Amino acid sequence: EVQLLESGGGLVQPGGSLRLSCAASGFTFSTYAMNWVRQAPGKGLEWVSGISGSGGDTSYADSVKGRFTVSRDNSKNTLYLQLNSLRAEDTAVYYCARDAGFRPNLGPDYWGQGTLVTVSS
Amino acid sequence: QTVVTQEPSFSVSPGGTVTLTCGLSSGSVSTSYYPSWYQQTPGQAPRTLIYSTNTRSSGVPDRFSGSILGNKAALTITGAQADDECDYYCVLYMGNGIYVFGTGTKVTVL
Repeated sequence: EVQLLESGGGLVQPGGSLRLSCAASGFTFSTYAMNWVRQAPGKGLEWVSGISGSGGDTSYADSVKGRFTVSRDNSKNTLYLQLNSLRAEDTAVYYCARDAGFRPNLGPDYWGQGTLVTVSS
Repeated sequence: QTVVTQEPSFSVSPGGTVTLTCGLSSGSVSTSYYPSWYQQTPGQAPRTLIYSTNTRSSGVPDRFSGSILGNKAALTITGAQADDECDYYCVLYMGNGIYVFGTGTKVTVL
C-alpha cells in the first residue's frame, strides 16, 4: 500500500524558514517523480514543485521560485521541501503527492494527508 | 499567465449524469496536457480519480471517466450518489515539469 507521511509544518514568522519532509513507503520510491501541492485556507489546490525520480530535474511554480527548494533522498525514501523567505501568503496545508511517472508529467496519483504551515508574526 | 478554467458549480440529481470540464484561458486541451482529476471533501486530502486523461486510479469506480471533449478535458460522473457531493479539481501538465490546477468545481447532488 502506498503511504506518504508529511511532517515539519508549524508556525513561523514572516521571513523565516522551514523544512518539510515526506516519508514514502509501499512503492519503489526512486522510480517515481514527486510533487508538492499546497492549499491555502478556503482556497483551491496550487501545485508548488516537482522532482524527477532520480532527483536530477526539479521544477517550481513562479510563486515560490527562488525561495523554495525541493530535494529527495532515495536511500531514505524521503522527499523534502525547504521553505525560505516565507510570506503570509505561503500559509497553507502542504501535500506531498507521488507522480504517476518517473518525471513530473502524468499527474499526481497518490497523496499524503498534508502538513499545515502558518506564517504569522 | 495560463489559467485553467472549471465551472464554479454544478448540480446533479441522484442517479443522474454530470460532465465537468477543464479548459485553458487560451488554447485547447489535448492529451499532451495529461489532464488529471481529483475529488476533495472539506478537511480531507485530495483523492485521485483520473490521471493521464482517462486512466482510473486504483479503487475508483467505473462510473467516473475521463476524456477530451472538444477543446477541453472532461470528467463524467454517471449514476451520481450523495457522497459525490464535494469539490473537483483538474490539473494540466504545461511542460518543463510544471503543472497548473484548475479553479475547482463544487458539485451538489440534490
